[in-house]
Amino acid sequence: DGGITQSPKYLFRKEGQNVTLSCEQNLNHDAMYWYRQDPGQGLRLIYYSQIVNDFQKGDIAEGYSVSREKKESFPLTVTSAQKNPTAFYLCATGGHKQKVVRDTQYFGPGTRLTVL
Amino acid sequence: DQQVKQNSPSLSVQEGRISILNCDYTNSMFDYFLWYKKYPAEGPTFLISISSIKDKNEDGRFTVFLNKSAKHLSLHIVPSQPGDSAVYFCAASAPGGSNYKLTFGKGTLLTVNP
Repeated sequence: DGGITQSPKYLFRKEGQNVTLSCEQNLNHDAMYWYRQDPGQGLRLIYYSQIVNDFQKGDIAEGYSVSREKKESFPLTVTSAQKNPTAFYLCATGGHKQKVVRDTQYFGPGTRLTVL
Repeated sequence: DQQVKQNSPSLSVQEGRISILNCDYTNSMFDYFLWYKKYPAEGPTFLISISSIKDKNEDGRFTVFLNKSAKHLSLHIVPSQPGDSAVYFCAASAPGGSNYKLTFGKGTLLTVNP
């Protein structure tokens, strides 16, 4: 069954703790992305990675970190430095490097993080 | 500075009628546009896209129109169905090597009443 898996669906953490959100894909897509969604806001890009062992900051990278050790996996760590970590986090994939035409991004089901 | 704007936070239509969702953009470098549909607590689902070389793209009940001179695009849903009730996001991207970054609007909540 092909797709994007994000786990867990709901996550609770105490303030000051780091937490890592999982994102796994078996679509063989080269690029992976992390977004957050807040009420009344669009999706804002946190980090993205176009190939293994390489990633770039998005628009709101402060307080977050990522790694891309495998093509299938792109975990996001929300650190204690993130001022407002409570949000809905979405992972997306896309972008076959072989394609000339720009590709579409496909989203996982999301993780709702609540920091108490 | 918002580069992609969806000025209507919400829209309500009757089942069977047309739904028109609007989106404006300011970055003249954008050349690829997408519409996503999102239910609460789920990830967005890709609906339809359009390249700037076209002014219309149709897929079943969904049609996207692009007016480059006005930097405006719209999504038409005909006929609207209750299952179409969701938040719709407009997104855009600019060319730049293999950089597939998307810029999203804030979304429009569509409610289709039976």
